[in-house]
Amino acid sequence: DAGITQSPRYKITETGRQVTLMCHQTWSHSYMFWYRQDLGHGLRLIYYSAAADITDKGEVPDGYVVSRSKTENFPLTLESATRSQTSVYFCASSESRQWYGYTFGSGTRLTVV
Amino acid sequence: QKEVEQNSGPLSVPEGAIASLNCTYSDRGSQSFFWYRQYSGKSPELIMSIYSNGDKEDGRFTAQLNKASQYVSLLIRDSQPSDSATYLCAVKTNDYKLSFGAGTTVTVRA
Repeated sequence: DAGITQSPRYKITETGRQVTLMCHQTWSHSYMFWYRQDLGHGLRLIYYSAAADITDKGEVPDGYVVSRSKTENFPLTLESATRSQTSVYFCASSESRQWYGYTFGSGTRLTVV
Repeated sequence: QKEVEQNSGPLSVPEGAIASLNCTYSDRGSQSFFWYRQYSGKSPELIMSIYSNGDKEDGRFTAQLNKASQYVSLLIRDSQPSDSATYLCAVKTNDYKLSFGAGTTVTVRA
């Protein structure tokens, strides 16, 4: 199906473990983004990518790593999960030539215990 | 100061009334503004975009922009229970990034 998909939808992990959240889009959009959403903070940008092999930090990048070897995939890795990284994570994409805002994936609810 | 601030809410309105949501932003150079609606447990969906001063209407939704005052608003006319959601104001910064407000939760009472 066309669109932007995130996996898994729900994840529980232990403190100190590495976990990877997946994001895949079928539109060949240039830009992809990772946000986290926490009560009282709204959506905060973690990392973004303008194209394959081009990534940059957002507002809250510490503790996260991204890669983008292919245009359609933008995985987010928590290298050593902490309880403060318990959150809902949203991936989004946008086209650069005609910019109409983002389309979001369905989100991943991550709990670090 | 946060880049994008919204009236904190929550906002409760009776069915059929007008819901008024406000947003201010700090970057005077911002050019593009968006309103997203987010139902509980769901992802944000784009409902309005506005780029020039004035009003923009789409069905029961009206977005208003005043760049001189760095202010953008959303009016929901004839509010319906299905409008109960959190509304996020977003402002396009440099590159293609959006900065979001914390959101205003609207409840429409039947």
